[in-house]
Amino acid sequence: AQKITQTQPGMFVQEKEAVTLDCTYDTSDPSYGLFWYKQPSSGEMIFLIYQGSYDQQNATEGRYSLNFQKARKSANLVISASQLGDSAMYFCAMREVSPGSSASKIIFGSGTRLSIRP
Amino acid sequence: DTGVSQNPRHKITKRGQNVTFRCDPISEHNRLYWYRQTLGQGPEFLTYFQNEAQLEKSRLLSDRFSAERPKGSFSTLEIQRTEQGDSAMYLCASSFISGTRRLSYNEQFFGPGTRLTVL
Repeated sequence: AQKITQTQPGMFVQEKEAVTLDCTYDTSDPSYGLFWYKQPSSGEMIFLIYQGSYDQQNATEGRYSLNFQKARKSANLVISASQLGDSAMYFCAMREVSPGSSASKIIFGSGTRLSIRP
Repeated sequence: DTGVSQNPRHKITKRGQNVTFRCDPISEHNRLYWYRQTLGQGPEFLTYFQNEAQLEKSRLLSDRFSAERPKGSFSTLEIQRTEQGDSAMYLCASSFISGTRRLSYNEQFFGPGTRLTVL
């Protein structure tokens, strides 16, 4: 069964510092996708970044980058130059794609609450 | 606003009552998903539709839960005989899948959720 593990329930970071949120995953399928979502206190899930299992380069989106280490099954999110508005819950998630499977659901980790200090 | 919308945003009900939530996806999206999120946890998949067909249901979706997407546009999620354990945030998401896109990419856009409290 697929599984996403986020071992940091909460983190405090000083504004303007970089922060790394950890994520490890487990899957037996060779083709899968990894996501990071941000959930502010308003509750809406905001898509941040995506990494495909066959992508050769680490994904980047503005201040967000995904440190993808396939052999270690690790997909850490790096936020550079953190801002006060980055304070939120962050979820690592995985979608599996297998031939003959209807697996289109996304499996989420338990999340990391990031708090940015001014 | 062309994002995913959900109504109502909040629902308080008494145990044993039926409730229905609505989700309006992004108009051109052909897939629609329902998730449930309890406090301190990540969302858990409940079910999804491709157009009007319900293609997968989680074992979390007990017989008291039913979802429909009659015309392939909006969707409803009904919970019958609510229990206190049903209290959660119910999230809807939509995405567009076409044969020309990389099969492994499936960005889901989430709505603001409906928070259900069962007393």
